Amino acid sequence: DIQMTQSPSTLSASVGDRVTITCRASQTISDWLAWYQQKPGKAPKLLIYKASRLQSGVPSRFSASGSGTEFTLTISSLQPDDFATYYCQHYNSFLISFGGGTKVEIK
Amino acid sequence: EVQLVQSGAEVKKPGESLRISCQGSGYTLTKYWISWVRQRPGRGLEWMGRIDPSQSYSNYGPSLQGHVTISVDKSISTVYLQWNSLRASDSAMYYCTRHAVAGTSYFDLWGQGTLVTVSS
Repeated sequence: DIQMTQSPSTLSASVGDRVTITCRASQTISDWLAWYQQKPGKAPKLLIYKASRLQSGVPSRFSASGSGTEFTLTISSLQPDDFATYYCQHYNSFLISFGGGTKVEIK
Repeated sequence: EVQLVQSGAEVKKPGESLRISCQGSGYTLTKYWISWVRQRPGRGLEWMGRIDPSQSYSNYGPSLQGHVTISVDKSISTVYLQWNSLRASDSAMYYCTRHAVAGTSYFDLWGQGTLVTVSS
């Protein structure tokens, strides 16, 4: 199994801050990576797929990059609506695994 | 509206059976795979398994194989997740989710979730 490790597990930030979350894979996964945002009591929402492609309707302050084993999600200017938990997800045809999540909380 | 609508919350005892459902609407169910994702209280997301509704072919994550069954009723655009014998550790929120593109496995549409509580 491929293990996905996110860091940090919790991040305290203020509105307007630039925020970066890291996701590392236990083995190379090319660019088969997605990012999701989840708010309390809600289902996750797709933000990014194929490591860097922005899902339709997602604000452009979200961006992502990486390939192989190291990936990042960046929020260029944190907005009040962005306080949530973020998950990376590795996918290929038959194997799917999620990172442990990064909670972005108000500083 | 394109959506996945899940069945309501359930409270069960260990050893009981359960089937929860996920109905797709606003799109053709058989054109997209459906996965189930588990989230235990206060924990992260865990992929359980998926089904290709067009062929009823399913595969499961290694920790769930043999404990759950995913099935589909194409006539009512509904996918099911079933347990024959629940355990306390099955207590969780369960989400059905649509694979965004056939043959890939990231998820662009999620159900609202079904909370399952297993307690004696």
